[in-house]
Amino acid sequence: NAGVTQTPKFRVLKTGQSMTLLCAQDMNHEYMYWYRQDPGMGLRLIHYSVGEGTTAKGEVPDGYNVSRLNKREFSLRLESAAPSQTSVYFCASIHGSGEANEQFFGPGTRLTVL
Amino acid sequence: GQNIDQPTEMTATEGAIVQINCTYQTSGFNGLFWYQQHAGEAPTFLSYNVLDGLEEKGRFSSFLSRSKGYSYLLLKELQMKDSASYLCAVKDSNYQLIWGAGTKLIIKP
Repeated sequence: NAGVTQTPKFRVLKTGQSMTLLCAQDMNHEYMYWYRQDPGMGLRLIHYSVGEGTTAKGEVPDGYNVSRLNKREFSLRLESAAPSQTSVYFCASIHGSGEANEQFFGPGTRLTVL
Repeated sequence: GQNIDQPTEMTATEGAIVQINCTYQTSGFNGLFWYQQHAGEAPTFLSYNVLDGLEEKGRFSSFLSRSKGYSYLLLKELQMKDSASYLCAVKDSNYQLIWGAGTKLIIKP
């Protein structure tokens, strides 16, 4: 099992450019999440999905769109990148909302917006 | 608002014991998680507490006091590979994880 995979691993964008980050999991998990991680701050939830065809806003959704393509794949799109979106982006998945369920993380995408 | 506090950085010696504290104020409580994150890598699960008391897992133990909004992660027999950031996270009333900023642990020989 590959677990949670993310593409790309690194990307440099210019302000105003767009890009899509892709996440896939092979653990048959229902829930998937997109986080961003910035120095000195905790992981912040951007958007999440509780199942195929569903998405919901997290703590910091502005400037991002998501799509739950199928049970395995969850994409994050930046339509017009801004320097404030320079961050490390992590995708995570979990089997269900049960209290003890741990989140499994992908390796991250390091994005720089110039 | 919701808040998770943990020290920014700690230093310890190889072979010693270190305790990393976490205090939280959240809307609801459905468990507390500790994750380890090596530099440049993804977080990985260490422990979960939902009831008061101590959970032991090898060299790592985690303690929870719900009445005090407090947890700690105890690492024994420190090894150089334990140098990492340790993230405290609380699952709130909406079953979403609220994350602390992490504690960077530096192990010295």
